[in-house]
Amino acid sequence: GAGVSQSPSNKVTEKGKDVELRCDPISGHTALYWYRQSLGQGLEFLIYFQGNSAPDKSGLPSDRFSAERTGGSVSTLTIQRTQQEDSAVYLCASSLIGRETQYFGPGTRLLVL
Amino acid sequence: QKEVEQDPGPLSVPEGAIVSLNCTYSNSAFQYFMWYRQYSRKGPELLMYTYSSGNKEDGRFTAQVDKSSKYISLFIRDSQPSDSATYLCAMSADRGSTLGRLYFGRGTQLTVWP
Repeated sequence: GAGVSQSPSNKVTEKGKDVELRCDPISGHTALYWYRQSLGQGLEFLIYFQGNSAPDKSGLPSDRFSAERTGGSVSTLTIQRTQQEDSAVYLCASSLIGRETQYFGPGTRLLVL
Repeated sequence: QKEVEQDPGPLSVPEGAIVSLNCTYSNSAFQYFMWYRQYSRKGPELLMYTYSSGNKEDGRFTAQVDKSSKYISLFIRDSQPSDSATYLCAMSADRGSTLGRLYFGRGTQLTVWP
């Protein structure tokens, strides 16, 4: 079956612009996660959606970052007024329920000039 | 101090060698331990998943967890050039507000040369 998909694969933007990154989880998975992977660094947790519960936003680095998940499926991560330090690979993962194996998408490579 | 420490390498070994990859952690609440493999410009893929302490074997891969020492390992036997990738350890808690999120090491870059 289809895995986690993300779009776009690559995004180049200018400092100060807003960007939207999309994640389409595996069908039927109720848990969805966003992580960020900077050059030479491990994955950094950003946000976690579990069913209809309030999301765990504790990993979002600033109020320029926000995410939503519509209809319990597709999620969008929005970065407002992008900065050069936002350049990274943004990875989305989903799991059947929370605490189960997380399956990752290929990521979106964001470059802020 | 990061909650999960992993030597980033790089590690370079000849084909057929036994590879040992390790992580240490500080949070005693971690109960689920994973190893992911990440090829260049790809997302991480799960290799091994272990709950609590002990060993788990899957083909050429063996995962070990020593909770008393807060130390986990991944062994790769008869390493192949196709094993060349970055290996990430990850773990999660069994309770509390962080339930569900994974904590990752920085990853170890492995090259197996023919």
